[in-house]
Amino acid sequence: GQNIDQPTEMTATEGAIVQINCTYQTSGFNGLFWYQQHAGEAPTFLSYNVLDGLEEKGRFSSFLSRSKGYSYLLLKELQMKDSASYLCAVGRRAGNMLTFGGGTRLMVKP
Amino acid sequence: DTGVSQNPRHKITKRGQNVTFRCDPISEHNRLYWYRQTLGQGPEFLTYFQNEAQLEKSRLLSDRFSAERPKGSFSTLEIQRTEQGDSAMYLCASSFSDRSYMNEQFFGPGTRLTVL
Repeated sequence: GQNIDQPTEMTATEGAIVQINCTYQTSGFNGLFWYQQHAGEAPTFLSYNVLDGLEEKGRFSSFLSRSKGYSYLLLKELQMKDSASYLCAVGRRAGNMLTFGGGTRLMVKP
Repeated sequence: DTGVSQNPRHKITKRGQNVTFRCDPISEHNRLYWYRQTLGQGPEFLTYFQNEAQLEKSRLLSDRFSAERPKGSFSTLEIQRTEQGDSAMYLCASSFSDRSYMNEQFFGPGTRLTVL
């Protein structure tokens, strides 16, 4: 079966760094995706890892360890607009169907 | 706007009625996905198309659900004899993928279904 775990909620301070962890157990692994979702809006793509290591994109970085079934999303220089849910998703098989975790609701405080 | 569009944005219906939703993907995208999301949860995969072929369906997709993508462009998702448990946000996503290139899925704004 598929199992993706991430913390339900996190709180951080504006300007700080926060790391959101994700662990997964899945078959047919085809990559690890992170999406951001503001309340009432559609998920928007943040990052994609298919090989082990760190991918950096501006203030956002994502890390993957396939042997450990582990990923994290790192957000630097937090801004108030970063308050949102962050969804970890595994792409499965050739069709790349996404299996999502429950999402981590991040609250950024002044 | 060249993003993924969905219609209607909101649908309220009575239990037992049929509903149909439409998704227009980004024009050059060959893959189209349907997901369902309930409050406080991540999206759950329902089905996907590569061009006009429906290649996979989730076990979540009961016989009351049917999806089509007749010309490999827009798609429709129909729910027959709706139940209160069908109340959710229905999200459509599209991507362009081939054997050598994996691209992210772009999501539409969703159709929020409320079954009374």
